[in-house]
Amino acid sequence: DVKVTQSSRYLVKRTGEKVFLECVQDMDHENMFWYRQDPGLGLRLIYFSYDVKMKEKGDIPEGYSVSREKKERFSLILESASTNQTSMYLCASSLSPGETEAFFGQGTRLTVV
Amino acid sequence: QKEVEQNSGPLSVPEGAIASLNCTYSDRGSQSFFWYRQYSGKSPELIMSIYSNGDKEDGRFTAQLNKASQYVSLLIRDSQPSDSATYLCAVKRNDYKLSFGAGTTVTVRA
Repeated sequence: DVKVTQSSRYLVKRTGEKVFLECVQDMDHENMFWYRQDPGLGLRLIYFSYDVKMKEKGDIPEGYSVSREKKERFSLILESASTNQTSMYLCASSLSPGETEAFFGQGTRLTVV
Repeated sequence: QKEVEQNSGPLSVPEGAIASLNCTYSDRGSQSFFWYRQYSGKSPELIMSIYSNGDKEDGRFTAQLNKASQYVSLLIRDSQPSDSATYLCAVKRNDYKLSFGAGTTVTVRA
C-alpha cells in the first residue's frame, strides 16, 4: 500500500512565524503535490514537484514556498504565517506525470492565531 | 468561471436509492477525470477514473463522461449509509495538474 505521511495532524502557529509542513511518501513516486482545502472551495493546488529539486507553482502559490531535496520528501513552507492561511493542508503523490491516481496524506489542520 | 464545478448539495437520498452527482469542467483539452470520496475528517481516496466518452461501471458506481458537453457524472446505485461522504470531482489538466471541484456532500438515510 502507498503511504503518504504528513508530519503533524494539528498545528497552531502565531502570525508571522515561519511554518514547515513535511510530507513523506514511501513508494518512489515522481510527483508530489501540496493542496489546501477550505469549505466551499474544494482542494486548491499550491505547488507541485515532478522531480527532486524541481517545482512548479500551482493555482495559489502566494505566501508559500516548497522544498524537495529528496525524492520521498516534499516540504511546504509558510514564510510568514497569516490568519488567512488557516486551513487543512493535504499532501499527495503520484507515480509519474502520466500516472494520474494521486494518493493523499492524512492532512494537517493548521490554525494561525 | 471555475475550472471544475459540482452540484452544490448537500444531497440526501434514502438507503437503496440512486445518488446522482454532476460535474462540469472548463478546459476542453482535459482528458482524464476522477471521482474521489472523502469521509469526514479523512483524506480523499480515489473511487473512479474515466478517460473515454461513455459509461464506466465498478460495482455500485458508474461514471459517465461526455467530453462534447464537458460533463462528467457519478451514479451510486443501491446507496448505503457507508456511502455518506463528500464526493470530489477532479480533472487532469494538460499540465498534469489535478483541479478539484468543491465537492458534493451525500447523506444516505437508513
